[in-house]
Amino acid sequence: QLVLTQSPSASASLGASVKLTCTLSSGHSSYAIAWHQQQPERGPRYLMRLNSDGSHSKGDGIPDRFSGSSSGAERYLTISSLQSEDEADYYCQTWGTGIHVFGTGTKVTVL
Amino acid sequence: QVQLVESGGGVVQPGRSLRLSCAASGFTFSNYGMHWVRQAPGKGLEWVAVIWYDGSNKYYADSVKGRFTISRDNSKSTLYLQMNSLRAEDTAVYYCARDKWFGELLYFDYWGQGTLVTVSS
Repeated sequence: QLVLTQSPSASASLGASVKLTCTLSSGHSSYAIAWHQQQPERGPRYLMRLNSDGSHSKGDGIPDRFSGSSSGAERYLTISSLQSEDEADYYCQTWGTGIHVFGTGTKVTVL
Repeated sequence: QVQLVESGGGVVQPGRSLRLSCAASGFTFSNYGMHWVRQAPGKGLEWVAVIWYDGSNKYYADSVKGRFTISRDNSKSTLYLQMNSLRAEDTAVYYCARDKWFGELLYFDYWGQGTLVTVSS
């Protein structure tokens, strides 16, 4: 079964970096994913798609502070130079044979 | 620029119907598959339905199959979601989203701001 696992929360200080993890279920380690950001009371926003080899392509207007990487079944989103507006929920998302899957989301708090 | 604007949400009694709309602009609507994704209060994202670019195929989540119908009018660049036999558990913000393929990944590259549907007596 295709499942994406995310930690519920993460925090870091203003100006620091934070690395979020999205783990693909067994048998699906080669899948590409997408990362989406949802700021409070707003609709989601596409950040980037991320391949199993770590190559990624960002959406329109996404700052360079956002980057992606991969290792095995894990897909990472790193936010550098954390800003107050980065405080949001972050969801990973993928697709497999007609099944659309979202991770449960990670809430990022900027300290 | 790409814009997706949902409308039609509101408060509705259980068992009643509601139709949502999503007006698209800034791109050639008829070239893209379109989806509805919902988010219950305080919860995560749940995919609801998809319609292919030409309306030829439609697929639904099991939770709404047989009750919801997705459709589109490419001449009006508008996506719809007809929701019948509504239940309390359908209470959510409903987002429309545009899809894009990259290899074997189907992902959402633009989202609307959402419209709130509350099912309550």
